[in-house]
Amino acid sequence: QQQVKQSPQSLIVQKGGISIINCAYENTAFDYFPWYQQFPGKGPALLIAIRPDVSEKKEGRFTISFNKSAKQFSLHIMDSQPGDSATYFCAAMTSGGSYIPTFGRGTSLIVHP
Amino acid sequence: NAGVTQTPKFQVLKTGQSMTLQCAQDMNHEYMSWYRQDPGMGLRLIHYSVGAGITDQGEVPNGYNVSRSTTEDFPLRLLSAAPSQTSVYFCASSYSSHRENTEAFFGQGTRLTVV
Repeated sequence: QQQVKQSPQSLIVQKGGISIINCAYENTAFDYFPWYQQFPGKGPALLIAIRPDVSEKKEGRFTISFNKSAKQFSLHIMDSQPGDSATYFCAAMTSGGSYIPTFGRGTSLIVHP
Repeated sequence: NAGVTQTPKFQVLKTGQSMTLQCAQDMNHEYMSWYRQDPGMGLRLIHYSVGAGITDQGEVPNGYNVSRSTTEDFPLRLLSAAPSQTSVYFCASSYSSHRENTEAFFGQGTRLTVV
């Protein structure tokens, strides 16, 4: 049973466009939702994270939107750049638990120049 | 401060061989974990540890063993390699005494091919 569902599996956008990746979860015990970015040949690295006490968090061109009642959250990349081309993983975890994130299946983003 | 170090980076094994993937972290993190990454499957948890001497199974533990004798090291052992274990393996560590720090730090990965 997949605890964190991520879509789309792949995404192609033009430079300057908006990239949107969606995730949904079932376990209401999750209370910390990080997004990881992975470049080819590298390990994932934390990009941005949110706790469910806020509905939105913005860091530069990256924004997380969170809908607690729908158990959904999404990553928006504004003004997408070719350097943003990477695989993005959403994750969920319980901060009072094992601190081990459960990951979505990933989205391969390609930004064309 | 090297972060999370995995060795080797690449490995080819024959079916039935055993080997150990090494993982070490120098951040004094309590939690360590092993994931495998396969196309279209994301990162799947193999085993994890919440402290020295404590390990537990993740989503896909079969065919793998772990131990945690020190805070720094968390090796992953393949008992009898099978082609289905061809994958990229990532070790991660997380958590410190500061509760707001919940980021998981990943190593660079080990690309394993079983022939």
